[in-house]
Amino acid sequence: GAGVSQTPSNKVTEKGKYVELRCDPISGHTALYWYRQSLGQGPEFLIYFQGTGAADDSGLPNDRFFAVRPEGSVSTLKIQRTERGDSAVYLCASSINSGGAGGELFFGEGSRLTVL
Amino acid sequence: QKEVEQNSGPLSVPEGAIASLNCTYSDRGSQSFFWYRQYSGKSPELIMSIYSNGDKEDGRFTAQLNKASQYVSLLIRDSQPSDSATYLCAVNPPQAGTALIFGKGTTLSVSS
Repeated sequence: GAGVSQTPSNKVTEKGKYVELRCDPISGHTALYWYRQSLGQGPEFLIYFQGTGAADDSGLPNDRFFAVRPEGSVSTLKIQRTERGDSAVYLCASSINSGGAGGELFFGEGSRLTVL
Repeated sequence: QKEVEQNSGPLSVPEGAIASLNCTYSDRGSQSFFWYRQYSGKSPELIMSIYSNGDKEDGRFTAQLNKASQYVSLLIRDSQPSDSATYLCAVNPPQAGTALIFGKGTTLSVSS
């Protein structure tokens, strides 16, 4: 596709359930980032992949959050035992190289997660 | 002190005026600075990047960086109603590796 694709666009779940959010980056982009954005806040860094490996997962809030990128393209963010505080828009971004070193981050439209 | 600070606004300017958006950051070692625009309900999009002290101009947008004062700003000349959005300042501090740290954003409203 032409841009970063995220699915689902909206997810409503109950407290304690497991959710998976998917990100398909721009073809050829080796760097992939997950951010979380709450209402009225800027995006908060969660994890960064360079290729298949998680190069930096320091932003993951706790061990309920996990992300994979097994083939170096599509990534899945997994949240176990969801809590109401997990409700936010989860943004995926990709970059042709490591974005913070000068590359542009291209964001997807986000997955809005609501935990009831 | 938060790593990247912005006045949340809203900043209201009339059409045709200059809008001035400001951002301060805490890590003096930061080298890369970005301005993203985010329309309501949409994802952020990059509008400017700046790495050296001074001004960088791109069309109606000018980014200004002062590393000594740890200050970065965005000027929008001839503001248009279509510029109404939230503007996010993002910084890449050394301890963040390759991640960008974003401010809360400043909401700009341009009235016609």
